[in-house]
Formats: sequence, structure tokens, C-alpha cells
Amino acid sequence: QQQVKQSPQSLIVQKGGISIINCAYENTAFDYFPWYQQFPGKGPALLIAIRPDVSEKKEGRFTISFNKSAKQFSLHIMDSQPGDSATYFCAASKSGNQFYFGTGTSLTVIP
Amino acid sequence: GAGVSQSPSNKVTEKGKDVELRCDPISGHTALYWYRQSLGQGLEFLIYFQGNSAPDKSGLPSDRFSAERTGGSVSTLTIQRTQQEDSAVYLCASSLEGTVGNEQFFGPGTRLTVL
Repeated sequence: QQQVKQSPQSLIVQKGGISIINCAYENTAFDYFPWYQQFPGKGPALLIAIRPDVSEKKEGRFTISFNKSAKQFSLHIMDSQPGDSATYFCAASKSGNQFYFGTGTSLTVIP
Repeated sequence: GAGVSQSPSNKVTEKGKDVELRCDPISGHTALYWYRQSLGQGLEFLIYFQGNSAPDKSGLPSDRFSAERTGGSVSTLTIQRTQQEDSAVYLCASSLEGTVGNEQFFGPGTRLTVL
């Protein structure tokens, strides 16, 4: 059973555009929602994370929007750049123990 | 210090053989996680170690998989009698305490290919 569902599977965006990746979860006990960025041949790296007591968190060009009632959260990448081309994973965890990851979104930013 | 390291970076083995994958976490990190990443499948949780507590083995897919962590530092993931479906990238991560909000730092992974 997929605890965290992620879409789309792949995304192509023009340079300067907005990239939006969506995730949905089932377990209301989850209390930590990170996003990871992974480049080919590398392990994932934490990009930005949010807890369910806030609806939005922004760090530079990256914003997480969180909708607790809908059990959904999304990553917005503003002014997308070719260097943002990577695979993005959302995740959810309860008390920082077991983490459940989405299936990933391959983002390509076209110059 | 250095980040999480894993060895080997690539491992090719024959079906039925045993393999050992090693993870060196960041010094001082008490939590250590193993994940499996298959093509198009995202990251699948395997096992979690936190300090001296009993490990959370709930993600191990079969009894052919086992892991240990010696001295609270280095961890070894062992796969016995490997099968072709075990082919994947095995990722290790560590974090400072394993509590909410503690960032997981991932190693580069070991790519396992079972022929």
C-alpha cells in the first residue's frame, strides 16, 4: 500500500516557469513532510520540509503548500532553472522514525 | 566531517550468492536508515536503527535480508541467496537523533545487479 502518492511522474517546464509537484497521504499521524532532490548517481538531499501546523513554508525559490484537511502537500519551484532538473521525492514520517516516500517526479527544465 | 559513505558503489553478483553492503554514517549520528530504490518505485524503507534501541525491521521484504549496526556506527546490510528482483540501488541515510525534523543525510548508494 502506497502511503504517499506523488504526481506527476515527469514534468517538463520552460526556464523561468513554475514547477508544481503534488503529494497526498493517508495517515493523519504523519507529522513531518520533507521534499528531497536527487541528481543522477547521487543520494537524495533534503530540499525543504514542513510540519502540519503551518500551511506554507518558503525557502528561496522553493515553497511547500500544505493542506491538512485534504491530506495533500505540494512543492512549487518558482523561476525554474535548468539546474533544477532532477528527480524530486516527497516523503512523510511519524516522529522521525519510518519515512514513506513518493515514487518521484523527474523534472526537466528546458533552457 | 565527511558525509555518509557506502561501499561498494557497484556490485554485480550471480543469483543465489550472498552480498554485504556497507554504510558508514556521519560521525555522531545516532539514527541510521536503509532504503531500496528501484527504477520508478521511489524509496522503499527497509530498516531503521536508533541508538541502542532494537531496530525497526518492519520494512525488510523477506528473511533473506538482514542488517546489523556495530558499535552504534557502521552498518552492514546482508542479502542472502540473492534473486534478480533484488537488483536495485540500496541507499543508507543517517540523522542526528532520529526525532521529528532531524534531517536525513543520504549516501550515494550501492547499485546491486543480480544476474
